[in-house]
Amino acid sequence: EAQVTQNPRYLITVTGKKLTVTCSQNMNHEYMSWYRQDPGLGLRQIYYSMNVEVTDKGDVPEGYKVSRKEKRNFPLILESPSPNQTSLYFCASSTRDRTANEKLFFGSGTQLSVL
Amino acid sequence: DQQVKQNSPSLSVQEGRISILNCDYTNSMFDYFLWYKKYPAEGPTFLISISSIKDKNEDGRFTVFLNKSAKHLSLHIVPSQPGDSAVYFCAASYRSNDYKLSFGAGTTVTVRA
Repeated sequence: EAQVTQNPRYLITVTGKKLTVTCSQNMNHEYMSWYRQDPGLGLRQIYYSMNVEVTDKGDVPEGYKVSRKEKRNFPLILESPSPNQTSLYFCASSTRDRTANEKLFFGSGTQLSVL
Repeated sequence: DQQVKQNSPSLSVQEGRISILNCDYTNSMFDYFLWYKKYPAEGPTFLISISSIKDKNEDGRFTVFLNKSAKHLSLHIVPSQPGDSAVYFCAASYRSNDYKLSFGAGTTVTVRA
């Protein structure tokens, strides 16, 4: 089954404690991205990757890091989480053809709370 | 500043009637628009799209209308069904494969039996 898998689904942590949210896709997609969803703001792009070892900032990259060492994995790293990073996070992947946005597969989300 | 705006956070409609969701955008460079649907505890899924060279696109019960001069698009669902109860996000990009999508805040649709 084609899917994007995020772990964990729920995470409660404290300010300053480094954490990683994993994302893996089994569709051999070149493109992967991270979004955060906040009430009244919709989804905002954090980072994206066009292929292995190629990453770029989205609209709200501050406080986040990513890496793309393998095609299937795109972890999101919060080196020193702060309460304003409490949010619902989504990983997504897609092909790189002309209808890429229509084929954007999202994971089920990770609800992060930073106390 | 949000470039894609959905000013109605929620919409309640009776089963069988039409649901109309609205979306406005400020960036005149956008030329590709999409609607995504999201159920609780799931990620968004693609619903329907429209290119700026068109003013209407239809897919079954779902139709999207684009008014470029007003920078406005709408999604019509006819007839509405209970399974349509979800959050609907409007999104825009510069082309169909531009990976920097701008999303609206979403509209929660509730279809009443």
